[in-house]
Amino acid sequence: GQNIDQPTEMTATEGAIVQINCTYQTSGFNGLFWYQQHAGEAPTFLSYNVLDGLEEKGRFSSFLSRSKGYSYLLLKELQMKDSASYLCAVRDREAAGNKLTFGGGTRVLVKP
Amino acid sequence: DVKVTQSSRYLVKRTGEKVFLECVQDMDHENMFWYRQDPGLGLRLIYFSYDVKMKEKGDIPEGYSVSREKKERFSLILESASTNQTSMYLCASSLVSNQPQHFGDGTRLSIL
Repeated sequence: GQNIDQPTEMTATEGAIVQINCTYQTSGFNGLFWYQQHAGEAPTFLSYNVLDGLEEKGRFSSFLSRSKGYSYLLLKELQMKDSASYLCAVRDREAAGNKLTFGGGTRVLVKP
Repeated sequence: DVKVTQSSRYLVKRTGEKVFLECVQDMDHENMFWYRQDPGLGLRLIYFSYDVKMKEKGDIPEGYSVSREKKERFSLILESASTNQTSMYLCASSLVSNQPQHFGDGTRLSIL
């Protein structure tokens, strides 16, 4: 089975930086996804990491360390519209269909 | 852009009813998924399918069944709805296993 942990809630100020951590335990790691979900809306894909290191996409970056079972999503120059839940999801190659297991999500509140 | 369409945004049904939730994707994706999302529990996988007429149980399949007669359509069936099945239901699809999943807007189902 898998165990994925991420903080429940974080608060940050507009223009600042926030780092959302995700730790996981899995027997056959095969990739980690980050999704953004605004209240009442569908999750949307943000980033994918399968090798160690940092992936940068504009204001958002995602980091992975497979040996530590650890990832983080970094949100820079925060904007009010970044207030949302951020979901960490891990793929396990030993699970049927390479299915994803999601963490509980981190709700980020951006204040003016 | 990938479009995943769920037939209803809101649905109210009664205990004991047979309930059908429909999902259609327009990008010829192989894999389709049904999740439910509950506060504090995150996204949990109910069933998934990696080919027409193929289905696999997810983490919480009890009380549900699925049907995939055509590649583009994946139906979730609540055989006899119960109040503990009140939830947000999300459908997703992906081209292949290591590609991001794309989500529909969700169906908020209430069982009275």
